[in-house]
Amino acid sequence: NAGVTQTPKFQVLKTGQSMTLQCAQDMNHNSMYWYRQDPGMGLRLIYYSASEGTTDKGEVPNGYNVSRLNKREFSLRLESAAPSQTSVYFCASSDTGRANYGYTFGSGTRLTVV
Amino acid sequence: GENVEQHPSTLSVQEGDSAVIKCTYSDSASNYFPWYKQELGKRPQLIIDIRSNVGEKKDQRIAVTLNKTAKHFSLHITETQPEDSAVYFCAASPGSWGKLQFGAGTQVVVTP
Repeated sequence: NAGVTQTPKFQVLKTGQSMTLQCAQDMNHNSMYWYRQDPGMGLRLIYYSASEGTTDKGEVPNGYNVSRLNKREFSLRLESAAPSQTSVYFCASSDTGRANYGYTFGSGTRLTVV
Repeated sequence: GENVEQHPSTLSVQEGDSAVIKCTYSDSASNYFPWYKQELGKRPQLIIDIRSNVGEKKDQRIAVTLNKTAKHFSLHITETQPEDSAVYFCAASPGSWGKLQFGAGTQVVVTP
């Protein structure tokens, strides 16, 4: 099993460009999440999807949009990239029907906006 | 919403000694507390977790304790080894669709 697969692994964008980060999981998990990781700030939730067909804002949603395409896939879109969005982005999934529903993370996307 | 504070931010230990990382949380409704280990350039990986109806859980050299009254929980690593060097994150969840609030992380360095 691949677990959680993220693409691309690295990306450099110019300010104002747009891009979509892709995420897919093959564990039949119901919930999926997008986090960003910045030095000294831990992991901050951007958006999440509790189940197929639903999405909701997290702690830092400004400048981002998401799509839960189906149960497997959850994409994150930057419509007009800004230098403040330079970060490492992690997708994660979990089975919240379980008592212990610790996330499985993807390998991350390192994004630089210049 | 939930707020998680984690201390210390860095921790240096000699190989073979113990390491302790402490976290506090604010939302008394939180009921699930996982810990993640992140090696340099890698993804966070779940190493141990505990639910609020359990006070302590152990898995080989790592253990987690939870004090619901004081709203804090701790990670204990015994007999540390160089491969324990990593950033460790605590997290708490009030059970709202599995959202986790993470602490800022602790950089653990184990010196031989």
